[in-house]
Amino acid sequence: DQQVKQNSPSLSVQEGRISILNCDYTNSMFDYFLWYKKYPAEGPTFLISISSIKDKNEDGRFTVFLNKSAKHLSLHIVPSQPGDSAVYFCAASTGTASKLTFGTGTRLQVTL
Amino acid sequence: SAVISQKPSRDICQRGTSLTIQCQVDSQVTMMFWYRQQPGQSLTLIATANQGSEATYESGFVIDKFPISRPNLTFSTLTVSNMSPEDSSIYLCSVVGQGKGYTFGSGTRLTVV
Repeated sequence: DQQVKQNSPSLSVQEGRISILNCDYTNSMFDYFLWYKKYPAEGPTFLISISSIKDKNEDGRFTVFLNKSAKHLSLHIVPSQPGDSAVYFCAASTGTASKLTFGTGTRLQVTL
Repeated sequence: SAVISQKPSRDICQRGTSLTIQCQVDSQVTMMFWYRQQPGQSLTLIATANQGSEATYESGFVIDKFPISRPNLTFSTLTVSNMSPEDSSIYLCSVVGQGKGYTFGSGTRLTVV
């Protein structure tokens, strides 16, 4: 039972354009959501998070949107840069200090 | 945020043997998490390790196969026992960050031959 899903396994975006990565979840008990970036041979790197009391959180080029009624969140990267090319995972938890449930990942390729 | 030192970074092991993975954190943390990422898959939680108590295992993972030690608030080990090729994965430890999400170690890439 995949409680967190990323339906797009890959995404290709031109440099300077917006990258939009999507994530859906099924467990209504999730109230804390995170995005991670992962390069090969490295551990995941935290990007941005959002709690269920908000619908938007912004940090530099990264913005996360949460639609609780649709159980959907998205990560926007503007502008996209070649160094953003990596696998992006969304993750969810109940509370800010409990285990994470990860999505299946989306491989982002930013082209010149 | 916490810094995690994880080792070994990679290993190739014979089937039937065991490998112990270590994670050292530069600050005291209550909970440490152990994850597995099988090839082409997402990260799956193996267990949660609390200092002073037995680890809590997720469905599908058992202590005999993945024994965990947590002797203090900065250190934990995960052992992969009696390995088979299906255990070939990346193993990662993680701790709760200070308002910066969860911090992960750099991972151990295990290949079982």
